[in-house]
Amino acid sequence: AQSVSQHNHHVILSEAASLELGCNYSYGGTVNLFWYVQYPGQHLQLLLKYFSGDPLVKGIKGFEAEFIKSKFSFNLRKPSVQWSDTAEYFCAVKNAGNMLTFGGGTRLMVKP
Amino acid sequence: NAGVTQTPKFRVLKTGQSMTLLCAQDMNHEYMYWYRQDPGMGLRLIHYSVGEGTTAKGEVPDGYNVSRLKKQNFLLGLESAAPSQTSVYFCASRLTGGENIQYFGAGTRLSVL
Repeated sequence: AQSVSQHNHHVILSEAASLELGCNYSYGGTVNLFWYVQYPGQHLQLLLKYFSGDPLVKGIKGFEAEFIKSKFSFNLRKPSVQWSDTAEYFCAVKNAGNMLTFGGGTRLMVKP
Repeated sequence: NAGVTQTPKFRVLKTGQSMTLLCAQDMNHEYMYWYRQDPGMGLRLIHYSVGEGTTAKGEVPDGYNVSRLKKQNFLLGLESAAPSQTSVYFCASRLTGGENIQYFGAGTRLSVL
């Protein structure tokens, strides 16, 4: 069965620090990859996605992610975080059955 | 455009009680999903539907039933609630084909005592 691993469960950063959240998946075929964000008290929103082409994808609010096929990874990055980035971040992979498999999530807290 | 609307937002049940969670979408999406979100486990798929009148089991279907009588609505039922069903429930929907971008509702926080 396909799985998605997010290695960092909790991350605490100060404002202006750089962010990288890890995501690894287990699936050898063509993948569609997503990062969703859930701000406190809100629903999940799509942050960015990768389907094909340039492995470096840019999303909303200055986030980007890099697809590295050889490492089965899709890490999320942001050069300089803000307090408003405090949220839970979920990596997801579309599997062969056209369903999304989600990682366990990473809670990010940005200290002002 | 309301998107995906879930009702209720909060609910407390006693063990053995039943309830129905309602999900409504106004985007004419074919696919609809019910997930549960538990700490450290991300979102797990309970049931889904690929169109009106059809439903299918997801990863964790036990203890839940669903119905899709109308295209815009997807109901999740708990026949006899158990404490293990304490969770946050999210509904999502998407168009057929395309990029499988799912749109989520605001969630229902359910506590079973």
